[in-house]
Amino acid sequence: EAGVVQSPRYKIIEKKQPVAFWCNPISGHNTLYWYRQNLGQGPELLIRYENEEAVDDSQLPKDRFSAERLKGVDSTLKIQPAELGDSAVYLCASSLWLGTLNNEQFFGPGTRLTVL
Amino acid sequence: DQQVKQNSPSLSVQEGRISILNCDYTNSMFDYFLWYKKYPAEGPTFLISISSIKDKNEDGRFTVFLNKSAKHLSLHIVPSQPGDSAVYFCAAKNQGGSEKLVFGKGTKLTVNP
Repeated sequence: EAGVVQSPRYKIIEKKQPVAFWCNPISGHNTLYWYRQNLGQGPELLIRYENEEAVDDSQLPKDRFSAERLKGVDSTLKIQPAELGDSAVYLCASSLWLGTLNNEQFFGPGTRLTVL
Repeated sequence: DQQVKQNSPSLSVQEGRISILNCDYTNSMFDYFLWYKKYPAEGPTFLISISSIKDKNEDGRFTVFLNKSAKHLSLHIVPSQPGDSAVYFCAAKNQGGSEKLVFGKGTKLTVNP
């Protein structure tokens, strides 16, 4: 079974440029998460989707970040414009939410963003 | 304010010995705890978890201990193997709340042959 797929794996841009990340979750997983991991830190949740609906986006900087999950499958995370402080690894994870309490989250390899 | 703390950035042990990784939390609403393992250039992978109704959970070489009164948990790896060398993240959540995981900063474990 294929895992969570993310692209690109690496991205280098200049500040003020836009950037987008793509995530394809594990087939059949209805819940998708975007995390940001700064250097030397643990992942921090940016947004969580249940199917197409963003159910928790309280940590998403909405002035420059946006996300969408069309048709409840693939998702894109966009930053426009990027700032130096956005340099981080952006992780996508997915899980199968069946109403049980402890569904495992499976992570993709991440996209490492460097803003110059 | 960090709600999940891993105060040791790194740990080095000899192959065959026990590795003990520690984690403290401050939020008393947390009632489910997980350990993730991360290799370079890969995403975190789930290792083991424990509910607050238990004080120990074991899976092969990995055991997690929970001390609720101290708000402390630990991961024991016995015996340690070179392939265990990775960054280990402690994470916590409130089962009655959202599915949001709160992660610690991680501990880099090095197992020397």
